[in-house]
Amino acid sequence: DSGVTQTPKHLITATGQRVTLRCSPRSGDLSVYWYQQSLDQGLQFLIQYYNGEERAKGNILERFSAQQFPDLHSELNLSSLELGDSALYFCASSPVGDRYDTEAFFGQGTRLTVV
Amino acid sequence: AQKVTQAQTEISVVEKEDVTLDCVYETRDTTYYLFWYKQPPSGELVFLIRRNSFDEQNEISGRYSWNFQKSTSSFNFTITASQVVDSAVYFCALSEPYNNNDMRFGAGTRLTVKP
Repeated sequence: DSGVTQTPKHLITATGQRVTLRCSPRSGDLSVYWYQQSLDQGLQFLIQYYNGEERAKGNILERFSAQQFPDLHSELNLSSLELGDSALYFCASSPVGDRYDTEAFFGQGTRLTVV
Repeated sequence: AQKVTQAQTEISVVEKEDVTLDCVYETRDTTYYLFWYKQPPSGELVFLIRRNSFDEQNEISGRYSWNFQKSTSSFNFTITASQVVDSAVYFCALSEPYNNNDMRFGAGTRLTVKP
């Protein structure tokens, strides 16, 4: 158990809808990262928050947004969903903001299916 | 641009065989970190090892060993006396400072260990 909790584990929704994925980082970790894992794109970094502030952005679509709350949990909002958004979404956490030299600990992921 | 290549898409071995998973990376930086993660069928990404670019010592942890060679830009992972529980997808990843905190993952190698 990595200590990172993601809910829900599975989500099925229709195209055009909006969903929210939730992540609770490990106790004491200030950084939260979101990744998307799909068959064709592999593991793609989406966005990082550090202590409530956006720290880094990767290949995140404009239809997607995230935030980190004062208690350090984070939410990833996906809107106007398309079939291609079906993927496994991971949250990871680490103690620090500059993660290049620190391993991140991953949650079990939320499997999103858009029908 | 950084890039991680795991040329082996799938490997199948019989229990107790040794197996090596290859990872080749590209980077222009002299400072970087390499990682291996395991993704078992349960889906969670499990951290295995972190190695910085200035430490070329090979590492052994139980049945796992890692061979880092800067001359060939490779960071290979060997499992000795493989077990069925080693069946998983293994990801190699590269992280650089000043690169937007984007931990770049390889496509992964699916290892199946048959009894």
